[in-house]
Amino acid sequence: QKEVEQDPGPLSVPEGAIVSLNCTYSNSAFQYFMWYRQYSRKGPELLMYTYSSGNKEDGRFTAQVDKSSKYISLFIRDSQPSDSATYLCAMNPGRRALTFGSGTRLQVQP
Amino acid sequence: GAVVSQHPSWVICKSGTSVKIECRSLDFQATTMFWYRQFPKQSLMLMATSNEGSKATYEQGVEKDKFLINHASLTLSTLTVTSAHPEDSSFYICSARGESRSGNTIYFGEGSWLTVV
Repeated sequence: QKEVEQDPGPLSVPEGAIVSLNCTYSNSAFQYFMWYRQYSRKGPELLMYTYSSGNKEDGRFTAQVDKSSKYISLFIRDSQPSDSATYLCAMNPGRRALTFGSGTRLQVQP
Repeated sequence: GAVVSQHPSWVICKSGTSVKIECRSLDFQATTMFWYRQFPKQSLMLMATSNEGSKATYEQGVEKDKFLINHASLTLSTLTVTSAHPEDSSFYICSARGESRSGNTIYFGEGSWLTVV
């Protein structure tokens, strides 16, 4: 079993929809959780960074962490075609390398 | 925000030659940098962890004599692919840990496309 599980998609939604992206993990030592957006042929771009359980909002993005269920989510409101990319969840127990999910490909249709 | 610069963005080299990729943290000091490799439509695979002033720690299955990593300063780490072969063609991405109020934010470079012909 992988330490971090993420549905690879692709996920196709119409413009303006609310997108829900999710990851589950098995290592209870993970304490820091991040979401990255990666456009084709580019390096990952940090979107959200969370430490504790609960919600964190930044513009159209909301990151949610439920440590008791080992489940994290990223919500995108009012999705735009420019949001079309691969979204990677990542986590680590502290000052170490990140463990990534496989990434979910999102396509927002105009 | 923090910026990590990677150079070159893409490189084509002949089989048997060596290629160096640079990773720089532009506005913060990075005591730790990470090198990843990514194949098309796959997630990032950690190759090695590089700590400033010490030897890199390689992941299992990564040949340290083939992928030479040097982290000579707090803002620069280099990856040299030695005696490159076509199977080394891939997208190589570095990341650096930047200190923030949360203490553990990792930023990525733009990546370097290597094609070995």
